[in-house]
Amino acid sequence: EPEVTQTPSHQVTQMGQEVILRCVPISNHLYFYWYRQILGQKVEFLVSFYNNEISEKSEIFDDQFSVERPDGSNFTLKIRSTKLEDSAMYFCASRRTSGETQYFGPGTRLLVL
Amino acid sequence: LAKTTQPISMDSYEGQEVNITCSHNNIATNDYITWYQQFPSQGPRFIIQGYKTKVTNEVASLFIPADRKSSTLSLPRVSLSDTAVYYCLVGDNQAGTALIFGKGTTLSVSS
Repeated sequence: EPEVTQTPSHQVTQMGQEVILRCVPISNHLYFYWYRQILGQKVEFLVSFYNNEISEKSEIFDDQFSVERPDGSNFTLKIRSTKLEDSAMYFCASRRTSGETQYFGPGTRLLVL
Repeated sequence: LAKTTQPISMDSYEGQEVNITCSHNNIATNDYITWYQQFPSQGPRFIIQGYKTKVTNEVASLFIPADRKSSTLSLPRVSLSDTAVYYCLVGDNQAGTALIFGKGTTLSVSS
């Protein structure tokens, strides 16, 4: 069964550094999403991406965040200057069409020191 | 997006049937009801989705009454590995919009 994959599984970084989280959505999917989950809290929506542009974003997704689909397979989330409060699990998700369910990746655990 | 209310936690024993009910009084005509499961440090996993009446798959059943103001996820004969957080989400699946998660129901299964 096709799966969403994410790399790395864990990342430790220093405050102020840039990080890039990578996702490979399921191959025939057209809608892509990033969510995050701070330890012990609920899953929060960050951004959705369709047709090579952001279609929706939350208040969390400020100027420090950006997304890109640099080629036909990868979908990346960049945090330009990490803060301590960016420490969380980051989940990528994708769906084939707007009428189908979203499938989540295993997540990247980001720790900002 | 319709707000959902579900119990914070539930306890069960192996082999029992577990029913988790979710209230969504303000569900809109175009909204679907979707349930996800999440294990610690893993991504949410789709379980089941429905619009009305009853939906069944190899993992669970979803019961939706005619007024659609609530839904019940039924897990038959749970095992220890069903210990997880279960989320009820309601939204217009056709719109391609983001999923809005609540706190979910933490199900603990004991032997």
